[in-house]
Amino acid sequence: DVKVTQSSRYLVKRTGEKVFLECVQDMDHENMFWYRQDPGLGLRLIYFSYDVKMKEKGDIPEGYSVSREKKERFSLILESASTNQTSMYLCASSLLRLAGTDTQYFGPGTRLTVL
Amino acid sequence: DQQVKQNSPSLSVQEGRISILNCDYTNSMFDYFLWYKKYPAEGPTFLISISSIKDKNEDGRFTVFLNKSAKHLSLHIVPSQPGDSAVYFCAASVGGGADGLTFGKGTHLIIQP
Repeated sequence: DVKVTQSSRYLVKRTGEKVFLECVQDMDHENMFWYRQDPGLGLRLIYFSYDVKMKEKGDIPEGYSVSREKKERFSLILESASTNQTSMYLCASSLLRLAGTDTQYFGPGTRLTVL
Repeated sequence: DQQVKQNSPSLSVQEGRISILNCDYTNSMFDYFLWYKKYPAEGPTFLISISSIKDKNEDGRFTVFLNKSAKHLSLHIVPSQPGDSAVYFCAASVGGGADGLTFGKGTHLIIQP
């Protein structure tokens, strides 16, 4: 079974703080993704990574950065948290870049509140 | 511009009956479609997928139908069970999903006893 874990289920931070959200997968997947989920907006892609030290912007990268120093770990960084970044953050991973086969598996999510 | 649309925010179905969840898309480059199920305070769970070379894929009680000419897909759940009550997200991708998925806003399915 694929297991994707996220460091915190709930997090409360203050405006202006630097925030790190960690994600680890144990299935040797190449691809990792960060999404945020907001009511009425579905899931939106923030950043993704094909390989170690590689990163690509998703649909809403502004205000975020990422780090992938090891294959199994993908970190989302909020350099200076703002209240509009209050959201549910979901990490996902998938195995290979093969067309038609790349199902993503999600972690349990981190509910971040920025005060 | 919303490329994947789930126009029904919620759907209520009686236990034992068929649940039909609909999804429309606008990007003709999408070639891989997935359905995810999500319970509150949990991450989405993969349910079923379909490649654009097929028009139907079945897995137990779940069947996904794809109509490429109409840019429409649907998820059928037969028979519906109480544990099926959740939010269902339709997702689509270009090139199999390795570049991230585009999600709809979700449909909250409620199974009535």
